[in-house]
Amino acid sequence: AQRVTQPEKLLSVFKGAPVELKCNYSYSGSPELFWYVQYSRQRLQLLLRHISRESIKGFTADLNKGETSFHLKKPFAQEEDSAMYYCALSGYNNAGNMLTFGGGTRLMVKP
Amino acid sequence: SAVISQKPSRDICQRGTSLTIQCQVDSQVTMMFWYRQQPGQSLTLIATANQGSEATYESGFVIDKFPISRPNLTFSTLTVSNMSPEDSSIYLCSVYLAGVSDTQYFGPGTRLTVL
Repeated sequence: AQRVTQPEKLLSVFKGAPVELKCNYSYSGSPELFWYVQYSRQRLQLLLRHISRESIKGFTADLNKGETSFHLKKPFAQEEDSAMYYCALSGYNNAGNMLTFGGGTRLMVKP
Repeated sequence: SAVISQKPSRDICQRGTSLTIQCQVDSQVTMMFWYRQQPGQSLTLIATANQGSEATYESGFVIDKFPISRPNLTFSTLTVSNMSPEDSSIYLCSVYLAGVSDTQYFGPGTRLTVL
């Protein structure tokens, strides 16, 4: 079974402070991991995926297979980063590809 | 990416009634998914709806309660049947785009309140 754990429901930081949103996963195969973000009153949208090794809006995430982690980081938080962040693992069920989501972390960036 | 719309965006329903939620995509996609997001919770997959086959339901969800249609590659419906207040949630459809995107894109969601 695949599982995604985000240990923090709420993370509050001041503007300009570093941010790290934790994500741990459990999966027997080779994982594909994603971070999704949901800003207030907006739909859920893809932030980044580990395969592309990209930096989006200053956020990066490195897959650590040894620690089964995919933490999201940003060196200097901005107020507009305040949102719900979901870590997700791509796996397969009988019907094909499926995403398993973590419980989400609400990031609040204070001025 | 894909443009996904859902109807209705929200509804308030009485206990015991049924509501059908529509999901429309602007391109042909093979895999569509229906999720539920209960208040304060994360997303839980209800079922996978592939065109040309029966929907595949996840543990805890059954076809009698959540019948799904997938008549073509751009459209799907989810019905929430015989509703109770516990069904109050946001229901989201998503599509899987292989290739460059290789991930799921989500609709805006339907906020359902059952009285």
